[in-house]
Order: sequence, then structure tokens, then C-alpha cells
Amino acid sequence: KAGVTQTPRYLIKTRGQQVTLSCSPISGHRSVSWYQQTPGQGLQFLFEYFSETQRNKGNFPGRFSGRQFSNSRSEMNVSTLELGDSALYLCASSFGTAYGYTFGSGTRLTVV
Amino acid sequence: AQSVTQPDIHITVSEGASLELRCNYSYGATPYLFWYVQSPGQGLQLLLKYFSGDTLVQGIKGFEAEFKRSQSSFNLRKPSVHWSDAAEYFCAATNTGTASKLTFGTGTRLQVTL
Repeated sequence: KAGVTQTPRYLIKTRGQQVTLSCSPISGHRSVSWYQQTPGQGLQFLFEYFSETQRNKGNFPGRFSGRQFSNSRSEMNVSTLELGDSALYLCASSFGTAYGYTFGSGTRLTVV
Repeated sequence: AQSVTQPDIHITVSEGASLELRCNYSYGATPYLFWYVQSPGQGLQLLLKYFSGDTLVQGIKGFEAEFKRSQSSFNLRKPSVHWSDAAEYFCAATNTGTASKLTFGTGTRLQVTL
């Protein structure tokens, strides 16, 4: 079966711009989570959506937002980009915690 | 605060040698525990998970992990390492209250020498 698909794979943006990242979960998975990975901070939880509702949120500023659609696809938006937002953004989908979380290959965002 | 600690930043082993990667957690109750592997430029692949029951868990690619409540540890092992195992390994945990939020360790980079 198809895995978790993240698009685009790479992005270069300028400070102050905004960006939208997309995640298509495995068919049947209703939970989608987002993580930021940087060399300095490691893997940090951004937020999780389940059935179009944000169920959990990490400690990130309001510039980071997300949503989930009725088909479980999710988007993440970062407004007013800062250099420190440069990171690998990973999406994970799950059928339920007991089944574990399947990660996509990520979107590499570079802010210049 | 809940945390996951991987004390070894970098480990080098020879191909064919055994491997043990350490992971300690600090949670109020026994969390759900996971090991993931990440190759350069790629996402995370789930190796194995522990929720309850048998404390020795078998995973993919010949990996296993042992949960030890008394030591708050969940160490990953492999009896014989292959060159293709070179990657970064992450231990992660989540509790049942916030089951969707994984807390990751800082990772251990494994180098395999031929």
C-alpha cells in the first residue's frame, strides 16, 4: 500500500514569506501529526489532527498552523518565515497509537 | 517533565559485531515506546514498538529491544550488524494521555566499518 506522501520534497523561501506543506496519509489513517527536525533542536512535535480537529499541539508560535481535510489529507502553514524555520518537516499518520506511526520522507524547507 | 535520553551520540561498530543502543525515559507511568531509524535525507522508519506484555520485542531488520521497568530503559539490540544498518536511530515515547505526541531522544548515529 502507498505510504505517507509529503509534497513538495524541497522548498526554498525568503524570510517574511509564507509556505504551505502537504501531507497525504496512508489510506484509512485518520490521525496526522507534524514534526520539525533541526540539527540543534532535534525532532519536535508541532501538532496532530484527527478527523479534521486539532487534537494536540506542541510549543510552537502561532505562525505555525495546520488543518486536516475530510479525506484526512493535512496541510501545514508557516507564515512570516524566519531563518530558524529552516528544517525538515515530517508528517506521520496513524490508524491508532497501538499500530505505531508511519512517517513520510519529509519536506526540506530552506529559508534564505 | 517527560523526556527520552539517548546517551550515545555516535557509535562505531564493525560489520558482523553485535550492537546495543541505549535509551532511557522519564515518564510518570510506563509510556508506549518506539525505535525509529532514519537514513540521510529520509523520513523515519519504525523498527519496533512496545506497549505492554512481553518485555522483549522483536522488530524488523533483525532488531530487538528489551523493556526494563526498573531501569526505565528500552535498549535496542542486533546480534550482527550489516553495513546497511548505518543510519541514525531514534528512541521515542508517548503516554496514553497524549498518545499522539511522540517525544524523541536526540538520536544515535551508527557507523559501520567493514
